[in-house]
Amino acid sequence: AQSVTQLDSQVPVFEEAPVELRCNYSSSVSVYLFWYVQYPNQGLQLLLKYLSGSTLVKGINGFEAEFNKSQTSFHLRKPSVHISDTAEYFCAVSDQHAGYSTLTFGKGTMLLVSP
Amino acid sequence: ETGVTQSPTHLIKTRGQQVTLRCSSQSGHNTVSWYQQALGQGPQFIFQYYREEENGRGNFPPRFSGLQFPNYSSELNVNALELDDSALYLCASSLEQTYNEQFFGPGTRLTVL
Repeated sequence: AQSVTQLDSQVPVFEEAPVELRCNYSSSVSVYLFWYVQYPNQGLQLLLKYLSGSTLVKGINGFEAEFNKSQTSFHLRKPSVHISDTAEYFCAVSDQHAGYSTLTFGKGTMLLVSP
Repeated sequence: ETGVTQSPTHLIKTRGQQVTLRCSSQSGHNTVSWYQQALGQGPQFIFQYYREEENGRGNFPPRFSGLQFPNYSSELNVNALELDDSALYLCASSLEQTYNEQFFGPGTRLTVL
């Protein structure tokens, strides 16, 4: 089974500063990776996904992530954050089983953007 | 195209009771997965339903059970509730059982007293 490590439980940052949220996964032959955002008292919204192709993936709200197979990482970045980006961010890897596919999540990183 | 919906949004139960949570999948999706998200944790896979059959299960006891209906909506049932069952329960739908991308509903917050 896959595992996902999000190295930072909380990342404080000032508005308009750049941010990187780190994610490492356990290695596998093929891997599909996702970043989800969760605002308070809400479900999960897909930010971006890597299924194949270009290792630099662009998502919604100005976020992007880079798939690095040699370092088994999929870090999330934004060049300039807004107050509204304050939320919990989850990295997930698709776990392939016989006949079905599930998502294995990290524990999440809380992004705190202050003015 | 309607997204994934869940009901109720909040629920309070006492230890030992039983609870049923409901989920309607996104239009065109035939696979539903359920996840439990405890406070401060990432979601954990409970089980998946495909064409009305359970086709995958995570590390959860048998008192967690489910159903899927012909219209692909689904229920999660939990018997003999324990305090540790307090969590946000998320439903996710996908096009097929082996399709990697899943679309999540808003969740049901269950509190067990």
